[in-house]
Amino acid sequence: DAGVIQSPRHEVTEMGQEVTLRCKPISGHNSLFWYRQTMMRGLELLIYFNNNVPIDDSGMPEDRFSAKMPNASFSTLKIQPSEPRDSAVYFCASRKGGQPQHFGDGTRLSIL
Amino acid sequence: GESVGLHLPTLSVQEGDNSIINCAYSNSASDYFIWYKQESGKGPQFIIDIRSNMDKRQGQRVTVLLNKTVKHLSLQIAATQPGDSAVYFCAENPWDAGNMLTFGGGTRLMVKP
Repeated sequence: DAGVIQSPRHEVTEMGQEVTLRCKPISGHNSLFWYRQTMMRGLELLIYFNNNVPIDDSGMPEDRFSAKMPNASFSTLKIQPSEPRDSAVYFCASRKGGQPQHFGDGTRLSIL
Repeated sequence: GESVGLHLPTLSVQEGDNSIINCAYSNSASDYFIWYKQESGKGPQFIIDIRSNMDKRQGQRVTVLLNKTVKHLSLQIAATQPGDSAVYFCAENPWDAGNMLTFGGGTRLMVKP
């Protein structure tokens, strides 16, 4: 079975540029989560969706971050403009019903 | 409450020995707990979960113990193998937090051959 698919796996860009991270959840899963992982703060939930609707975005750092889920099989996390402090590994996870979340392998983002 | 730590404790064990990784949680409203394993360059991988109506749950070579009185969770790995080397995270889900998980800071397990 295909797991959660994230792209790109690595992204290096200059500060001020727009960054778009993509996620394809596991088919049939109805909840999707975006996390950020850093050495200093560990794994933090940014936002999550149920049935394509954003439920809690209290973890989104600031207005430069936005997330969308136009359909059940695709979500994006956008940073505009990007800053060096946004450098981190960003994970997407999905789940269905009362089952545990399943994670993708992340996007390693470096903002120069 | 939060149970996220900034440090990453390390547990070093000999191959073949049993490993015990501990986790303290702070939210008494948490009723669902999960252990994840994260290898370098990969996302967290589900290992085992437990609900608060249970004290113990066993999987293949792994056992999770839950002590609600002292808000403590442990993961026991039997006959630890080199492939078990990774960072292990516990996560909690309060009953009133919907699908949201709060992750602990993680423990690095190093298996010596």
